Amino acid sequence: NAGVMQNPRHLVRRRGQEARLRCSPMKGHSHVYWYRQLPEEGLKFMVYLQKENIIDESGMPKERFSAEFPKEGPSILRIQQVVRGDSAAYFCASSPRQGASYEQYFGPGTRLTVT
Amino acid sequence: AQKITQTQPGMFVQEKEAVTLDCTYDTSDPSYGLFWYKQPSSGEMIFLIYQGSYDQQNATEGRYSLNFQKARKSANLVISASQLGDSAMYFCAMREKGTGTASKLTFGTGTRLQVTL
Repeated sequence: NAGVMQNPRHLVRRRGQEARLRCSPMKGHSHVYWYRQLPEEGLKFMVYLQKENIIDESGMPKERFSAEFPKEGPSILRIQQVVRGDSAAYFCASSPRQGASYEQYFGPGTRLTVT
Repeated sequence: AQKITQTQPGMFVQEKEAVTLDCTYDTSDPSYGLFWYKQPSSGEMIFLIYQGSYDQQNATEGRYSLNFQKARKSANLVISASQLGDSAMYFCAMREKGTGTASKLTFGTGTRLQVTL
């Protein structure tokens, strides 16, 4: 059973460009979470999605950031007009169900560098 | 107030010794889960151990155990017989049941563990 897949693993963008980060959850998992880790910090929650629905986006910046999890295909985190402060590691996690006791399985992360 | 507090930015331990990494949490939710993750220099997040708020016994997974003191709201990770490969960042995290959809994890700032010969 393949784990959570994220691509690309490394992404370099110039200021003002768009970044698209992809996440394929584990087979059978319909809950996807995106987290951001700034250098030397812990992970911070961004958004929680189920298929075709955004459930909780309380951690998403109000502008330039969007996320989707379509019926078919991976979840996408999109950052428009990137700035240097967007440089970070972006992790996706999936779980089979919602609830306090269900472990979230993390992908390897995408390291975004904005030059 | 911080929901998850890890007060040790860095720790050293000698190989084969045991080490305790501290974690305290703050929640008013009676149902919650506590997690520890390891992040080696390669960057991935590796799940280590889980403790539920209603679990009667402390969780154990191989060389990892969780010292869960509910009244003190602490969930310290104990690594026994440390190995060089244990050198990494360690993050404590909490998930509260909340209402509806509160399934996100809240992470602490991490503790960097260095195992020495």
